[in-house]
Amino acid sequence: GAVVSQHPSWVICKSGTSVKIECRSLDFQATTMFWYRQFPKQSLMLMATSNEGSKATYEQGVEKDKFLINHASLTLSTLTVTSAHPEDSSFYICSATKEGTGPEKLFFGSGTQLSVL
Amino acid sequence: EDKVVQSPLSLVVHEGDTVTLNCSYEVTNFRSLLWYKQEKKAPTFLFMLTSSGIEKKSGRLSSILDKKELFSILNITATQTGDSAIYLCAVEGGANSKLTFGKGITLSVRP
Repeated sequence: GAVVSQHPSWVICKSGTSVKIECRSLDFQATTMFWYRQFPKQSLMLMATSNEGSKATYEQGVEKDKFLINHASLTLSTLTVTSAHPEDSSFYICSATKEGTGPEKLFFGSGTQLSVL
Repeated sequence: EDKVVQSPLSLVVHEGDTVTLNCSYEVTNFRSLLWYKQEKKAPTFLFMLTSSGIEKKSGRLSSILDKKELFSILNITATQTGDSAIYLCAVEGGANSKLTFGKGITLSVRP
């Protein structure tokens, strides 16, 4: 099966700092990666779709200047939370699609728990 | 706006019980409905359903889709403590075939 690695798994930072989260497809090339945010007891909310070599497509209500997404290669997408504030504390999870897969359309990373003090 | 509603939001059962988890949806250009199990971090794929009335089965888990009434159920028979997790329903559709997730159902199986 395909493996998606997400790093770090958790991070604590001070308010005002920036945090970078990496999402790597380890054994396949992912032309498209997705970034989700999940609050406790809430659904996975799609933040943006990241396409290799082009600008990310952000969902309505997601500030693109605050959540910077870079998909510079076919195996790596990064999400940078800029000038983080306590309200940005959440669980962030990425996923990637593998071309030619069957029913298992998305492969998820293990997520990053961000806590902003 | 595409919408996925799961019910109940949480459920506590004892080992050996059978549970039914519900998922209803409203989405344009429906393509598929997927069930995931989220235990700690990353959701893991369970089923993908595209056609009405065809049951998908994997061990003690089974699922079926009703495209006329716009819902799906996930059944778990003879539950075990290892079934404790959040079960997510997602529907693929819309203009860009994106996935819309429900809030998830938290299942707790007590020994």
